[in-house]
Amino acid sequence: DAGVTQSPTHLIKTRGQQVTLRCSPKSGHDTVSWYQQALGQGPQFIFQYYEEEERQRGNFPDRFSGHQFPNYSSELNVNALLLGDSALYLCASSLFADQGDTQYFGPGTRLTVL
Amino acid sequence: SQKIEQNSEALNIQEGKTATLTCNYTNYSPAYLQWYRQDPGRGPVFLLLIRENEKEKRKERLKVTFDTTLKQSLFHITASQPADSATYLCAPQGAGGTSYGKLTFGQGTILTVHP
Repeated sequence: DAGVTQSPTHLIKTRGQQVTLRCSPKSGHDTVSWYQQALGQGPQFIFQYYEEEERQRGNFPDRFSGHQFPNYSSELNVNALLLGDSALYLCASSLFADQGDTQYFGPGTRLTVL
Repeated sequence: SQKIEQNSEALNIQEGKTATLTCNYTNYSPAYLQWYRQDPGRGPVFLLLIRENEKEKRKERLKVTFDTTLKQSLFHITASQPADSATYLCAPQGAGGTSYGKLTFGQGTILTVHP
């Protein structure tokens, strides 16, 4: 049973560029959430996708956008990259129907913006 | 605004002792509280979930308490081992509505267990 997978593992971009990160949820899960984790901080919720729609959003600007595909996989797009966007980006999957659901996290994508 | 504080950034203990980590929250009425473990460069791994109507929950050497009056959760690791060294994150969570599926994490406590 495959867990949550993310690609790429590492990424280096320059300011102003755009980036796309990818996530495949754990088998059987239908919901994908994205988090940003700066060094020394806890993960911060970006948004959540279910049924190909954004269901919840954290306090992130519109430069952060996402998409969920019919197979439940998801993409996170960040436009006009800033130095402050450098972080570990985590994808987590869960079952929408489960209240108090635990989330299964992927290994993350380390984004460095120069 | 909602605030989550974990007791200290780092906790150092001797192998075999009990590690106690604290999670305090304000402006919050969580229906659940989850604890996760995170190793360097890896994603968090779920450990335990406790509901607001549960006072205590155990899993092997782990124990979590949830005091909604004090707005606090304690996370204990008994008979600690060097392999328990990691960052531990707490995440209080509301039930339904805008809280559903949206975990808000504390900053984490780095636990180091010395042999």
